[in-house]
Amino acid sequence: EVHLVESGGGLVQPGGSLRLSCAASGFGFSDFWMAWVRQGPGKGLEWVANMKKDGTETYYGDFVQGRFTISRDNALNLLHLQMHSLRADDTAVYFCARGDLWLDSWGQGTLVTVSS
Amino acid sequence: IALTQSPDSLAVSLGERATINCKSSQSILYSSNTKNYLAWYQQKPRQPPKLLIYWASTRESGVPDRFSGSGSGTDFTLTIDSLQAEDVAVYYCQQYYSTPHTFGQGTKLEIK
Repeated sequence: EVHLVESGGGLVQPGGSLRLSCAASGFGFSDFWMAWVRQGPGKGLEWVANMKKDGTETYYGDFVQGRFTISRDNALNLLHLQMHSLRADDTAVYFCARGDLWLDSWGQGTLVTVSS
Repeated sequence: IALTQSPDSLAVSLGERATINCKSSQSILYSSNTKNYLAWYQQKPRQPPKLLIYWASTRESGVPDRFSGSGSGTDFTLTIDSLQAEDVAVYYCQQYYSTPHTFGQGTKLEIK
């Protein structure tokens, strides 16, 4: 069974940084593209970034503007999202998901709150 | 690519049909393979989204056949036949024709 577990969320001040992680199990992690999707409080889904299975290609949402970096460690079955220059409107639940086109498995998400 | 769903919310009686529309700002039909790069997701309260349909009309394994997707080019529809109580959720379309893989704003489905 596919299992994705996000961690690393929390309260951070505006302008701060945070690193999210996603631990994957139950499938061949290195065989799949992976993605991050976020959902602001009471809002819809927003695609953040994705990464090719070997880490050689990455794509980002327009709002990222160089502030976030997606990465992966295929030896440890981990996906990361390094976030810098965080703003109040980055407050959201961040989901880790599997897939390069459609997203067929999702974690439960980790909450990031940007506030002073 | 922007996706616009309609309506924003709807209420349907149990056993009746629910129809949700998704309109893309440009065609997401890839001519070389004649596939529409669109997926549909269901999100119930306090849960992550669940994939229902991809390639606009292919049901994900395990999804009940009362869920169906249709459309091509820029206009797509998710149809839920014989609405069940457990279908109460927010439904999202997503295009994966080009990055960023944008989502529609969501349609909230309730029981009338």
